[in-house]
Amino acid sequence: EVQLVESGGALVQPGRSLRLSCAASGFTFDDYAMHWVRQAPGKGLEWVSGISWNSGNKDYADSVKGRFTISRDNAKKSLYLQMNSLRTEDTAMYYCAKDIAGVFRYYFGSWGQGTLVTVSS
Amino acid sequence: DIQMTQSPSSLSASVGDRVTITCQASQDISNYLNWFQQKPGKAPKLLIYDASNLETGVPSRFSGTGYGTDFTFTISSLQPEDIATYYCQHYDNFPLFGGGTKVEIK
Repeated sequence: EVQLVESGGALVQPGRSLRLSCAASGFTFDDYAMHWVRQAPGKGLEWVSGISWNSGNKDYADSVKGRFTISRDNAKKSLYLQMNSLRTEDTAMYYCAKDIAGVFRYYFGSWGQGTLVTVSS
Repeated sequence: DIQMTQSPSSLSASVGDRVTITCQASQDISNYLNWFQQKPGKAPKLLIYDASNLETGVPSRFSGTGYGTDFTFTISSLQPEDIATYYCQHYDNFPLFGGGTKVEIK
């Protein structure tokens, strides 16, 4: 069974940094692209970033480009999101999601339960 | 940029009713559309992929149709456990979600 467990969410002040992690199990992690999708409180879903199976391809939403960095460690079966220069509008539940292929297909077939990031002074 | 317009934003229906949600793309997106269900406090769940294909394990009362710019998601007989927010999602060069439809029981 696919399991994705996010961690690292916290209350942080604007301008500070935070690193999210997603631990994967139940599938061959390095066969699949992975993504981060967020949801602000009471709002809809927003794709944030994706990374291909071998880290050769990374992409970002315009809203986070230049501030967030996605990475993965296939040996540790883990996905990461380094979030710098955080803004209040980054406040959201952040979900880790598995794609259906090693390259970007954007089929979010499996999701973690999310980790909450709150940016506030 | 492609825009996805989902409607209605909310609806209330009785158990057993047929429920229909639409998603309109601002330009032709072929069948590059998925549908998700999100129950309160839970992560989204993929129900329909490629506009009309039912994900494994999803009840057959859920269905999707459409191609090009106009797409429809249907619950043939609403059940109490279907209370959730439903999202369409376009995928191509960039994944984009619709605004969501909150489904409640009347």
